[in-house]
Amino acid sequence: DTAVSQTPKYLVTQMGNDKSIKCEQNLGHDTMYWYKQDSKKFLKIMFSYNNKELIINETVPNRFSPKSPDKAHLNLHINSLELGDSAVYFCASSQEAGIEAFFGQGTRLTVV
Amino acid sequence: GENVEQHPSTLSVQEGDSAVIKCTYSDSASNYFPWYKQELGKRPQLIIDIRSNVGEKKDQRIAVTLNKTAKHFSLHITETQPEDSAVYFCAVTAGGGADGLTFGKGTHLIIQP
Repeated sequence: DTAVSQTPKYLVTQMGNDKSIKCEQNLGHDTMYWYKQDSKKFLKIMFSYNNKELIINETVPNRFSPKSPDKAHLNLHINSLELGDSAVYFCASSQEAGIEAFFGQGTRLTVV
Repeated sequence: GENVEQHPSTLSVQEGDSAVIKCTYSDSASNYFPWYKQELGKRPQLIIDIRSNVGEKKDQRIAVTLNKTAKHFSLHITETQPEDSAVYFCAVTAGGGADGLTFGKGTHLIIQP
């Protein structure tokens, strides 16, 4: 069983489109995250979410929005995609905030 | 916000030698310090972590040391093997609420045969 799974693994889309990346965890964790890894391999937190609060990194454009239908899922919606959004997006989860975070396999987004 | 500096950006060592990667952080409230290993095209994987009430932790060939006063921590890999080649990231968090991890910029470790 995959602990944190993301779909799709690869996503190629045109500028201006709206897309979503899905994430599911079967670890029973309370907190989920989205990270962006750019072309230089730099990992940066975008969102942290548990059932009580959402923390948004202030550098994330409001075109990005997380949506959590339940504790096991945290999807990422991106509106009006731009070339600079091309990156690998990782979903992660942890039982205790920030502690022993487990990452999904990543979604490579390419905007053309 | 938290600032994490990681050095070196690239480290090449002979197989069997030791490797050391260092990180410094800015927020004295940080209390959890993990290290992640990322192989090419794969997910970051937690390899070792340390909490602020411990100065050193060891797991077989890898160890992490923490100096809270100086706000730095290091990853030590002994008897390096080819499969240790990867990018290593340090990270910090103060925990609490829904805080995520702030990562260093990564170290590309190359093990020369």
